[in-house]
Amino acid sequence: AQSVTQLDSHVSVSEGTPVLLRCNYSSSYSPSLFWYVQHPNKGLQLLLKYTSAATLVKGINGFEAEFKKSETSFHLTKPSAHMSDAAEYFCVVLEQAGTALIFGKGTTLSVSS
Amino acid sequence: DAGITQSPRHKVTETGTPVTLRCHQTENHRYMYWYRQDPGHGLRLIHYSYGVKDTDKGEVSDGYSVSRSKTEDFLLTLESATSSQTSVYFCAISEDIERELFFGEGSRLTVL
Repeated sequence: AQSVTQLDSHVSVSEGTPVLLRCNYSSSYSPSLFWYVQHPNKGLQLLLKYTSAATLVKGINGFEAEFKKSETSFHLTKPSAHMSDAAEYFCVVLEQAGTALIFGKGTTLSVSS
Repeated sequence: DAGITQSPRHKVTETGTPVTLRCHQTENHRYMYWYRQDPGHGLRLIHYSYGVKDTDKGEVSDGYSVSRSKTEDFLLTLESATSSQTSVYFCAISEDIERELFFGEGSRLTVL
C-alpha cells in the first residue's frame, strides 16, 4: 500500500536562507510524486511533479525536489526563502497502478524577516 | 485559473440535516474528486469520479455519497450531517489520474 510521511509539521526559516521540507514515501511500485502548496484560505496549487523521468525536478517559484529511490525520499528545497513562500506544503504520492492521489499531512512553512 | 466553482462556499447546519455540496467545472476534465481537509490530517479523499455515473470510494467515504450525472458537475451529499463532518471540503479535477490536480477554493461546512 502506498503512503507518504512528511517528517516536519512546521518549519521556520529566515528570509534569504535555504528551505528544506522533507518527505518519505512508501510504495510497492514506481510512484509518481508531487508537491502542492496551499496559501491561507486558498485551494492547492501544483509546485512540481516527478513521473520517472529526471530525478531532479524543478518547479515554480524556484523550488526543486530530488527523487531518491534508495532512501524513498522526495524532499523539497529552495536556495533562498522569500516571505511569499509562507504557506502549507503537501507531498503527494500516486502508485503506478494508481487509483487516486494520497496526501501527506502537510508542513507549514513560516518565513521571518 | 482552472474553471472550478464550489457552492456553497460557507454553510452552517445542524446535526441530522442533509447537506449537498456542488462542484462545477468548465474544463471538461474526466476525473473529479472530493477531499476534506482537517488540521493534523492534511487532505483525505472522500470519493472520486472517473466519468459520468462512474464513482469510487476514497479513504474516508463513510457518511458521504456522490453523484455525477453530467461531466461538469460532481455532487457530494451528507445524508445526515454529524459534528465530525465539520471540515473544509475541496473539489479537484484532472484530465487523467497521473495529471495535475486543479483545486477549487473550498467549502467550509460547520455542523452544530
